[in-house]
Amino acid sequence: AQSVAQPEDQVNVAEGNPLTVKCTYSVSGNPYLFWYVQYPNRGLQFLLKYITGDNLVKGSYGFEAEFNKSQTSFHLKKPSALVSDSALYFCAVNRWGGDDKIIFGKGTRLHILP
Amino acid sequence: EPEVTQTPSHQVTQMGQEVILRCVPISNHLYFYWYRQILGQKVEFLVSFYNNEISEKSEIFDDQFSVERPDGSNFTLKIRSTKLEDSAMYFCASSDTDQPQHFGDGTRLSIL
Repeated sequence: AQSVAQPEDQVNVAEGNPLTVKCTYSVSGNPYLFWYVQYPNRGLQFLLKYITGDNLVKGSYGFEAEFNKSQTSFHLKKPSALVSDSALYFCAVNRWGGDDKIIFGKGTRLHILP
Repeated sequence: EPEVTQTPSHQVTQMGQEVILRCVPISNHLYFYWYRQILGQKVEFLVSFYNNEISEKSEIFDDQFSVERPDGSNFTLKIRSTKLEDSAMYFCASSDTDQPQHFGDGTRLSIL
């Protein structure tokens, strides 16, 4: 079975500082991993995905994620946080990439402090 | 950029009544999904739909639920006899082959 865990309910970061939102995964087979962001009263927006290839994946809005097979992690990162990055972030996994059901983590609320 | 649109944004219904949630997926997408998010909980998969039939459904998607693509543009989720525990945010999503899923802004369903 596929699952992801987000150990932090909330992360606070000062504007301009680097940010990391943690995610670990458990899959049988190859992992297909995603990050989505949810702004207030909006749906989930796709940020980035890992299928195969480079362990550092670049996505939208300056975000990137690092795939680490040995640690079964897929942490979301950004070198310099903006106040507008404040939102709810979901790590997710599925079995074969695009057109398969997505299993979401519980979400991490990111607060960027001005 | 094309978007998935959902209507209504908020639906209030008496327990036991039928409700239909509507979605217009992105026009060239082939795969359609419904998810729900109970307040304070995870986003959960309900059902996926491709080529005019259900591809997969979760345990949540029991006989009270049904989906339909009636006219080639809309994608609907019907709950036949609503229960209090059906109160949640319902998200529609669509995708093209091997592409990420795009989500609508959701319908908040409140069962009284």
